[in-house]
Amino acid sequence: GAVVSQHPSWVICKSGTSVKIECRSLDFQATTMFWYRQFPKQSLMLMATSNEGSKATYEQGVEKDKFLINHASLTLSTLTVTSAHPEDSSFYICSATRGPNGYTFGSGTRLTVV
Amino acid sequence: GESVGLHLPTLSVQEGDNSIINCAYSNSASDYFIWYKQESGKGPQFIIDIRSNMDKRQGKRVTVLLNKTVKHLSLQIAATQPGDSAVYFCAENAGGTSYGKLTFGQGTILTVHP
Repeated sequence: GAVVSQHPSWVICKSGTSVKIECRSLDFQATTMFWYRQFPKQSLMLMATSNEGSKATYEQGVEKDKFLINHASLTLSTLTVTSAHPEDSSFYICSATRGPNGYTFGSGTRLTVV
Repeated sequence: GESVGLHLPTLSVQEGDNSIINCAYSNSASDYFIWYKQESGKGPQFIIDIRSNMDKRQGKRVTVLLNKTVKHLSLQIAATQPGDSAVYFCAENAGGTSYGKLTFGQGTILTVHP
């Protein structure tokens, strides 16, 4: 149980275009979903926290207009990287939680902007 | 801001040896800690967790030790196997207003030689 599916696993896009990444909890309802960003050989950095039906809470320094997060249901959250640039190339990972201190991570999405 | 850090960025061991990975944290309000294993190109995989009211917890081949006095966390892997080679992260949940959010340490690369 507690499976989180993240799609796509990798994507290449042209500079200036937008990319949407989906995060789905397959067998549970996620009260909260988190989005992380990870550069090569570095740790995971929290970008934002999203709760179903409400606006996402972004961490300091994360541009909310660039990284649009939608949490339309208890099983789906999406991250859209708008007007992507090469510096946005990174590994994006989502995490979902059912309640206190129970986290399940997706398999990640490798974004390459060319 | 407060952060979780690691003493050693890399660790190389021989197959069959025991491995110890260390983590220092600075947020005294943290009350829940998790160790994750991350293989290349994948999301973090839960290994073991511990709450602040405990100082030791054991799993299959793994043990987590928590020393709140010096804000130190360690992961011990017994009889390390080549399949244990990965990056290991500690993560903390500070609770309170940060409820649900995890702060990750910098990571330790574990390499197991056959």
